Amino acid sequence: QSLLTQPPSVSAAPGQTVSISCSGRTYLIDYDHMCWYQHFPGTEPKPLIVDSTERPAGIPDRFSVSKSAMSATLIISGLQAGDEADYYCAAWHPGLNTVVFGGGSRLTVL
Amino acid sequence: QVQQWGTGLLKPSETLSLYCGVDAESFNTFPYNWIRLTPGKGLEWIGIINHSGGTLYNPSFTGRLTLSVDKSTNHFSLRLTSVTAADSGFYYCAKVSSLASPARMDLWGTGTAVTVS
Repeated sequence: QSLLTQPPSVSAAPGQTVSISCSGRTYLIDYDHMCWYQHFPGTEPKPLIVDSTERPAGIPDRFSVSKSAMSATLIISGLQAGDEADYYCAAWHPGLNTVVFGGGSRLTVL
Repeated sequence: QVQQWGTGLLKPSETLSLYCGVDAESFNTFPYNWIRLTPGKGLEWIGIINHSGGTLYNPSFTGRLTLSVDKSTNHFSLRLTSVTAADSGFYYCAKVSSLASPARMDLWGTGTAVTVS
């Protein structure tokens, strides 16, 4: 069982807002540098959010993150059909010296 | 750019060998993660390596995994022994863009599909 828990699936209609949670099971994870990746099957994952809330160049502001002590929520507003993908949170665990990934959430645009 | 190549089809108990080639500047500046995507399990961190050959491994692979570096050709290698069907999936090499966070990867290879059957 992953140290970061995500819902297996989420769905919403075009134009709506959807939230994907990532909850940690330990305070030992580096939540301040958590990242989110978007993955379309058959391609490589793409960084969506880095350093907890920062968007890399080219990522629209429809993608944002709300964070708390041991969790983060990816918020996608103005949902588009092209957002249908798998989303993963990831962070460094300094105690274990490992990168931990959430189990991934499949977003379906209805 | 991150280029990947290696054996894609193996039989159980064989050894998986994958390679990741990068430009010289990136090779000498940033560490690289190996990540895999397996059916039903999502993304899984395999390990990290830098140009000096320094490594950290996911304990799940202890005893089977070796990450290494070839400084003359700027490439990294992954060697996983005694593979089983559970090792089937896509294997990615990804550049770590922040020394403060090994989870921050800004450039990924296109991946190598691995099937163990």
